[in-house]
Amino acid sequence: ETGVTQSPTHLIKTRGQQVTLRCSSQSGHNTVSWYQQALGQGPQFIFQYYREEENGRGNFPPRFSGLQFPNYSSELNVNALELDDSALYLCASSSRADTQYFGPGTRLTVL
Amino acid sequence: TQLLEQSPQFLSIQEGENLTVYCNSSSVFSSLQWYRQEPGEGPVLLVTVVTGGEVKKLKRLTFQFGDARKDSSLHITAAQPGDTGLYLCAGGNEGSRVGAQKLVFGQGTRLTINP
Repeated sequence: ETGVTQSPTHLIKTRGQQVTLRCSSQSGHNTVSWYQQALGQGPQFIFQYYREEENGRGNFPPRFSGLQFPNYSSELNVNALELDDSALYLCASSSRADTQYFGPGTRLTVL
Repeated sequence: TQLLEQSPQFLSIQEGENLTVYCNSSSVFSSLQWYRQEPGEGPVLLVTVVTGGEVKKLKRLTFQFGDARKDSSLHITAAQPGDTGLYLCAGGNEGSRVGAQKLVFGQGTRLTINP
């Protein structure tokens, strides 16, 4: 077990709705990265937060947004959900130049 | 855009056989990581290789980083049913002075070892 937790475990939404996913990082880690893993694919980098500031973003539209709190936990928000947003959303916490530890993920289904 | 291609995508072999999974790119990476992912869980790091030509061994698993740091391979000797899972390679780049590497993942190799 990595010590990285994510909530909720599963979530079902309909097109057009908004969703917030949460990630609690491992103790002592100041960096959280979010990845989207579609079925049968490898994870794709969404964005990263370092000390509450966005530190890099992948090829995802602005309706994907995030936040990191002073305790280094993080949220991923997705507005105007589309069917293609159905995926496993993974967060990974790390310290600088250290191993990234992944949480178990949140399975999002958009109907 | 950096891409990593893994092959094969699916592999089903008998217990005791050997196998190799490949991870190839046209881009240079500063490091290459291999992960294993079980259903319902996040990826778990197996190894990181950073030097061109580097070889690392983890029990029956041998990892190699290509000389040009564009490709890598994972070789499993005498595969066991417990090796069943999704194997992912991921390339990392040194580029940011802060934070962690933004990983580029391959699409994964789903390995099944039959008893």
